[in-house]
Amino acid sequence: AQSVTQLGSHVSVSEGALVLLRCNYSSSVPPYLFWYVQYPNQGLQLLLKYTTGATLVKGINGFEAEFKKSETSFHLTKPSAHMSDAAEYFCAVRLNMYSGGGADGLTFGKGTHLIIQP
Amino acid sequence: KAGVTQTPRYLIKTRGQQVTLSCSPISGHRSVSWYQQTPGQGLQFLFEYFSETQRNKGNFPGRFSGRQFSNSRSEMNVSTLELGDSALYLCASSLEAGSPNEQFFGPGTRLTVL
Repeated sequence: AQSVTQLGSHVSVSEGALVLLRCNYSSSVPPYLFWYVQYPNQGLQLLLKYTTGATLVKGINGFEAEFKKSETSFHLTKPSAHMSDAAEYFCAVRLNMYSGGGADGLTFGKGTHLIIQP
Repeated sequence: KAGVTQTPRYLIKTRGQQVTLSCSPISGHRSVSWYQQTPGQGLQFLFEYFSETQRNKGNFPGRFSGRQFSNSRSEMNVSTLELGDSALYLCASSLEAGSPNEQFFGPGTRLTVL
């Protein structure tokens, strides 16, 4: 079984400051990792994903995340926050079926509400 | 290319009733997954369909069921509604089933059970 922990249900940063949203996962086999963003009254939009290869992954809107196997982490960062980044962010894991993980849906963390202070 | 569409967007039902939600995937996508989102439990996987067959199922009671049609459109049904079924139900489509295919989410159906 897999699980995802997002540290901090609410994170507040000033406009122009660094954004850091933390995600730690637990998985019995190498996972695929995802970050999604959700704006009010909308569905989820994929920011970035890690499958294999380079551990530093770049996504849309200037976001990036680094897969650290030794720390079982996949933290999301953005160098300079913008007011439009205010939203709910979800980290998700899916088992790597090619590594014996079987088939399953996405397992999500509880989410982090990002607040941008002007 | 049109995105994932879900109908209806909002629904109000009373306890004991049943409800059917519909999802049309992105053209060419053959896999459809359903998720329930609530403030208390967060986002939880319900089930995934591919080629009209249920491939995966989350930990939900049998009152929750679904199906997929030959055109990849999917429906989910909840029978004997309970207050706790009030949630945002999200549908996601992908080209193929299983990891690591990216899932594209629809806007969701907001279900309120009174």
